[in-house]
Amino acid sequence: DAGVIQSPRHEVTEMGQEVTLRCKPISGHNSLFWYRQTMMRGLELLIYFNNNVPIDDSGMPEDRFSAKMPNASFSTLKIQPSEPRDSAVYFCASSFSGGNYGYTFGSGTRLTVV
Amino acid sequence: AQTVTQSQPEMSVQEAETVTLSCTYDTSESDYYLFWYKQPPSRQMILVIRQEAYKQQNATENRFSVNFQKAAKSFSLKISDSQLGDAAMYFCAFLRGGSEKLVFGKGTKLTVNP
Repeated sequence: DAGVIQSPRHEVTEMGQEVTLRCKPISGHNSLFWYRQTMMRGLELLIYFNNNVPIDDSGMPEDRFSAKMPNASFSTLKIQPSEPRDSAVYFCASSFSGGNYGYTFGSGTRLTVV
Repeated sequence: AQTVTQSQPEMSVQEAETVTLSCTYDTSESDYYLFWYKQPPSRQMILVIRQEAYKQQNATENRFSVNFQKAAKSFSLKISDSQLGDAAMYFCAFLRGGSEKLVFGKGTKLTVNP
């Protein structure tokens, strides 16, 4: 398996633009997580899905952020409109049956909003 | 809510020596899991080692081992025979049993000196 695949690896956009981050989880994993990493706040869980259904989105910072998982092999995290304070590394991770054996992370997307 | 504290923002070790990274956590739960993740400059989050709270035996993975002190709520990582490739950020993480939300500490940056 190729692991968790995220795209793009880097994204630079102007303030006010829409940004879409993409994630393909490991085949067979039934949970998917979106994390944001910043120097100030560390790793924060934004939202997670179980069997394609959003379970907990309490970490989503505001309505500008939205996430979808239309099927078991694809998820998106969208920011509209983007702001400079959204600049961070965004990680997608997947796990099987609750994460007791840990998550497998993607390589992350470094987002810069100018 | 569970919290994870890594009190050492930075550590350094000489190549071939042993280093111990500290982690403490706060929980009232009895069923949980603990993890150490490594994040090298490539940004990839890599699972290093995992410990189940109900197991008294400390987990080991090659040169990596943990000292799990349940009563003290301490979970330190020992790296033996340190190698240049061990240089990275190391994150301690907590997962409550039955939950899927992995909570991370702020990380410790490990430098390995040749």
